[in-house]
Amino acid sequence: DAGVIQSPRHEVTEMGQEVTLRCKPISGHNSLFWYRQTMMRGLELLIYFNNNVPIDDSGMPEDRFSAKMPNASFSTLKIQPSEPRDSAVYFCASSGRDSRASYEQYFGPGTRLTVT
Amino acid sequence: AQSVTQLDSQVPVFEEAPVELRCNYSSSVSVYLFWYVQYPNQGLQLLLKYLSGSTLVKGINGFEAEFNKSQTSFHLRKPSVHISDTAEYFCAVSPYNTDKLIFGTGTRLQVFP
Repeated sequence: DAGVIQSPRHEVTEMGQEVTLRCKPISGHNSLFWYRQTMMRGLELLIYFNNNVPIDDSGMPEDRFSAKMPNASFSTLKIQPSEPRDSAVYFCASSGRDSRASYEQYFGPGTRLTVT
Repeated sequence: AQSVTQLDSQVPVFEEAPVELRCNYSSSVSVYLFWYVQYPNQGLQLLLKYLSGSTLVKGINGFEAEFNKSQTSFHLRKPSVHISDTAEYFCAVSPYNTDKLIFGTGTRLQVFP
């Protein structure tokens, strides 16, 4: 299995630009999570989906952030417009609540976003 | 609501010494418990988990943790650390009724030769 795939691995953009982060979960997993990691705030859950439906988006910082999951194999996290304080590492994780996965979340390698 | 407290932000230790990383949690419902490790510039990787059964769980790389329900703790231990264990370690809980993971703030383990 290829694991959770995220793209791009690094993104540098200017303030005000739109940024789209992409995630491909592990095949067969039915839950997908977006996290943000910064030195100041640690690891924060932004949003998670179950069976492609957003279940909890209470961690999304503001309306500039949006996430979609059009199908079981793809999700995006969009920031529009981006601001310097959005600079962070964004992780995607997936899990499957079956006997095989046993509630474990599998993390992707992350996207390091820098907004100048 | 749930919360996870990792009391030590940094733990320096010499190679081959034992180590314990502390984790306490609070929750109004039953939870599953996890330890994840993050090596530099990488994502998080599961070390071990407690779902039910024996309170002493063994994970990868020689790590183990013990669930103590009365003290609401899940401390991580290793009898002899290696340089390659240098990383950030995160304790997390997942309430029975949700898929969410609530993470602690992490403990940076630095192993010196």
